Amino acid sequence: GDSVTQMEGPVTLSEEAFLTINCTYTATGYPSLFWYVQYPGEGLQLLLKATKADDKGSNKGFEATYRKETTSFHLEKGSVQVSDSAVYFCALSYQGAQKLVFGQGTRLTINP
Amino acid sequence: GAGVSQTPSNKVTEKGKYVELRCDPISGHTALYWYRQSLGQGPEFLIYFQGTGAADDSGLPNDRFFAVRPEGSVSTLKIQRTERGDSAVYLCASQSGGAYNEQFFGPGTRLTVL
Repeated sequence: GDSVTQMEGPVTLSEEAFLTINCTYTATGYPSLFWYVQYPGEGLQLLLKATKADDKGSNKGFEATYRKETTSFHLEKGSVQVSDSAVYFCALSYQGAQKLVFGQGTRLTINP
Repeated sequence: GAGVSQTPSNKVTEKGKYVELRCDPISGHTALYWYRQSLGQGPEFLIYFQGTGAADDSGLPNDRFFAVRPEGSVSTLKIQRTERGDSAVYLCASQSGGAYNEQFFGPGTRLTVL
């Protein structure tokens, strides 16, 4: 079945560091890909998405590119802030079967 | 406007008891999802409603789990004969319109089965 694998956490960085959180997927078709974020004490919220190969999703300085050839959707940010501390989830879904399949999550802590 | 709300926020019960978890979606959202998130894991899909009907219930782990959405708005997830392994955070999400529209998540109900 379909699955999503994220890099193991937790990840701890200093403010203004470059961030990469790896995400790879296994899918039988051509899914849409998502990054969701869960800030402390808050619910899951969509960070960015890409619906087809080579699309780049971006939001709040974060970016991820849908790479079909490597089945990856790595999350990047050039300069992280303390406020980016959260748990990040990579996910996929298909049009017409709209459930989300999530990775296990990566906890990110940014130190000032 | 109001987001997705879930009640109760916390539920502690004893093994073997029956529990109901409630989800109030965003007004007008036709699609509603239930997920379960165990500690240190990502959410796992349980069931998806389109309107009043369950369009996909393939994620329900066994027949102790059941969910309804009788008027196409509020949904209730029902768990019979709870087991300690049912302890998790139960998340509800709602969605409007088309396939790529964002799912909006509620804060979850933390269920603890003693």
